[in-house]
Amino acid sequence: DGGITQSPKYLFRKEGQNVTLSCEQNLNHDAMYWYRQDPGQGLRLIYYSQIVNDFQKGDIAEGYSVSREKKESFPLTVTSAQKNPTAFYLCASHSEGIPNYGYTFGSGTRLTVV
Amino acid sequence: GENVEQHPSTLSVQEGDSAVIKCTYSDSASNYFPWYKQELGKRPQLIIDIRSNVGEKKDQRIAVTLNKTAKHFSLHITETQPEDSAVYFCAASNDYKLSFGAGTTVTVRA
Repeated sequence: DGGITQSPKYLFRKEGQNVTLSCEQNLNHDAMYWYRQDPGQGLRLIYYSQIVNDFQKGDIAEGYSVSREKKESFPLTVTSAQKNPTAFYLCASHSEGIPNYGYTFGSGTRLTVV
Repeated sequence: GENVEQHPSTLSVQEGDSAVIKCTYSDSASNYFPWYKQELGKRPQLIIDIRSNVGEKKDQRIAVTLNKTAKHFSLHITETQPEDSAVYFCAASNDYKLSFGAGTTVTVRA
């Protein structure tokens, strides 16, 4: 699956519930990213991490949280504070050992509030 | 931060014709400009990229041009085919973090 795996593919969340999206890569990439995709708005950056145990807020971090305990894993939690979480979520990674190297994307998780 | 604008938002072309998508960026320090193609329900795939020390790059039917002075770059697809129908995203980066345009939905009419 291209070395970066997202699960689940589809996720349904009830109002007031926290949910966690998984992102795992076996590419030995240093940097990992979470993007949210809404129709007509492109990809917006939620959080990113350049090294283990460190991460930074992106443009739309409110209502989301992340952790980076292992190089291979960068899970995203969508909290109840995120008022409009229905979207397509994409995880990406790249190697900072190669400057400006293109991202590798996961296959995405489609989250729907029910 | 970087702001990337992309035009047009939709583009319909006759099979065999050319398609052009244009992007502008705001941060003069940006030095890497990739283009991604995303088919319906799939992940974005890198199709071509260009760095700031190059003005033009071509790969078969796809070419990208960069004008650093004007801070804009363009994707050109020649001899379009039905399989070129997809959403195309431009992006700009200063070292590592990519900022994306809003996307262009390209439809190739048979």
